[in-house]
Amino acid sequence: QVQLVQSGAEVKNPGASVKVSCKASGYTFTNYGFSWVRQAPGQGLEWMGWINTDNGDTKFAQKVQGRVTMNTDTSTNTAYMELRSLRSDDTAVYFCVRGSWGQVNDYWGQGTLVTVSS
Amino acid sequence: QAVVTQEPSLTVSPGGTVTLTCGSSTGAVTSGHYPYWFQQKPGQAPRTLIYDTSNIHSWTPARFSGSLLGGKAALTLSGAQPDDEADYYCLLSYSGGARLFGGGTKLTVL
Repeated sequence: QVQLVQSGAEVKNPGASVKVSCKASGYTFTNYGFSWVRQAPGQGLEWMGWINTDNGDTKFAQKVQGRVTMNTDTSTNTAYMELRSLRSDDTAVYFCVRGSWGQVNDYWGQGTLVTVSS
Repeated sequence: QAVVTQEPSLTVSPGGTVTLTCGSSTGAVTSGHYPYWFQQKPGQAPRTLIYDTSNIHSWTPARFSGSLLGGKAALTLSGAQPDDEADYYCLLSYSGGARLFGGGTKLTVL
C-alpha cells in the first residue's frame, strides 16, 4: 500500500532553515512527483509547490519563491522540502502529497510540525 | 494573484443534501482548472475526495460527487452522515503551474 512517512517535528529560530523529508513506499517512486502543502495553526491549507521526480522540474508559490527548495532522492525514495530564512509566520504543519503537475494528487503524508520561535 | 473563494460554513441535516462551491476571482471555473476537493477532520491530514472536477478515488464515499455549477466547481454531498462533519477545501490549477486553495468550508451535520 502507498505510504508517505514524514520526518519529525522541528523547532527553529527565526532566520534558520528547515528540511522536511517524505519517504515513499508501496509504488514506483519515479512514476510520481510530489506536492507540498502547509497549514498554519487554526488556518486553511496553503499550496507551496510541486516537483517532478523524473526531470526535477519545479513550480513554487509566490509567497515562498526564493526561500524554498524541493528535491527528490531516487536512491532512498525520499522527497525533501527545505525552507530558508524562517519567519514566525512559517510556523505550520507541512504535508507532502504524492503527485505533481498533471498527476493526481492523492496520498498525503502525516504532516510535520515546524515551529519558528526565538 | 487569483483568489479562490468558498463558503466559510454550511450546515446540513443528517440524510440531507448540501452543495459546496469553489469560485475563482479570475472568472468562471472550468475543467481546465482541474478542481480538487479535500476533506480534513480535526487533527488529521487532509484526504483527497475528488480530482479533475468529478473523478473520485476508491476511498471516496459514493454520496460525494463533483461538478461544475454556475461558473464554479461544486462538491455535492447527498445523504449526509455525522461522519461527514469536517472542513472541506477546494484546489484550483492556473496557467503556468500554480495552484491555489480556497479558504475552506466548515461543514456541520446537525
